[in-house]
Parts: sequence; structure tokens; C-alpha cells
Amino acid sequence: EAQVTQNPRYLITVTGKKLTVTCSQNMNHEYMSWYRQDPGLGLRQIYYSMNVEVTDKGDVPEGYKVSRKEKRNFPLILESPSPNQTSLYFCASSLMGATEAFFGQGTRLTVV
Amino acid sequence: GQNIDQPTEMTATEGAIVQINCTYQTSGFNGLFWYQQHAGEAPTFLSYNVLDGLEEKGRFSSFLSRSKGYSYLLLKELQMKDSASYLCAVVMDTGRRALTFGSGTRLQVQP
Repeated sequence: EAQVTQNPRYLITVTGKKLTVTCSQNMNHEYMSWYRQDPGLGLRQIYYSMNVEVTDKGDVPEGYKVSRKEKRNFPLILESPSPNQTSLYFCASSLMGATEAFFGQGTRLTVV
Repeated sequence: GQNIDQPTEMTATEGAIVQINCTYQTSGFNGLFWYQQHAGEAPTFLSYNVLDGLEEKGRFSSFLSRSKGYSYLLLKELQMKDSASYLCAVVMDTGRRALTFGSGTRLQVQP
């Protein structure tokens, strides 16, 4: 089954404690991206990757890092989380950036 | 700049037809998507328009006018399960090939 898998689904952490949210897709897609979704603001792109070892900033990259060492995986790293990063996060993949995107189930992160 | 506008909320009756509008302003345009998102779940693809006109897919249709920066999603024969948020997303930046989303329209279908 074609899917994008994120883990964990829910996470509560404390300010400053590094965390990683994993994302994996099994569709051999080149393009992967991370979004955060906040009430009234919609989905905003954090980082994206057009292929292995090719990553770049989206609209709201501050406080986040990513890596793309393999085509299927695109982890999101918060080196020092802060409360304003409390949000619902989605990973997405597509064959190319401007084609249909498949989204993971979401990760609800709370930073206290 | 980038600007995508959708109504925040809409209410409709089961069995009826509802039209959700989306307007956008952009210097570059490479297509418009509609996604459905149930509360707490991932967005799922509904439609894609890149040329002017109407695309029909079952109970859902999507229309695009590039000259007016306008699209709508038409839902017919509404069912209770259609209660969800509907997200309009535009591909604005050909280099980044990113989707830029509107804030979404929350549709409540009532019996």
C-alpha cells in the first residue's frame, strides 16, 4: 500500500530537549516536504527536498533542520524546541513538487 | 506576495449542493489543488486544475479561472461524511515547486 508514515503521532516534550520526527515514504517519490498546521494559518511549508542530499528552506524554517540521506526518509529535527513550535506537523511526498502530494498521518507536538 | 483567500466556515444541508470559493494573487502560477481534511487527519487529494474550466469527478467538481485568480469546489448531493475542512493550494513558485495553502474552509453538513 502506498503510504507516508510519520512517527511519533503524538509527542509532549520540554523546552530545549532535542527531538526528531521521522518520515518515510514507499512510493519512490523524489519530492518530500514538511508542513506545520496552526489554527487560522493553514499549512505552511517548513523545509523541502527535491532529491537525496538536496534540501532547502520553505516559508517557516527557523528552529528546524532536515536531512535527506536516503530517498525514502526525510526526518525533521528540532535541536532546541520552544513552545512556539507546538503545532500539528505533516510530512508529504510527491513525484514532483507540483503534482499530487501524499500526506503522513500527522504528528501533534506539544512543547512545554 | 502570496495571498490565498477562502471562507472560514460554511454550513449546508444533507443532499444539497455547496460551492466553496478560493481566490488567489500570485506572480507565478502552476496549478491549483483542492484537498479534503477531516479533523485530526491528513489532507487527502480531491482535484487539480491547471487550465481554465471545470473538472468533474463524481460528486465533486472543481473550476478554475486563471485570468480572475479564482477557483471553486462544488460538492453535490452532500453527505454527512463531507463535513470536513477543504483546503485550496496553489503552486506558485516554479523553482521551489511548493504548494501554498489557504487557511481552509470548514464545512458543516447538517441533517
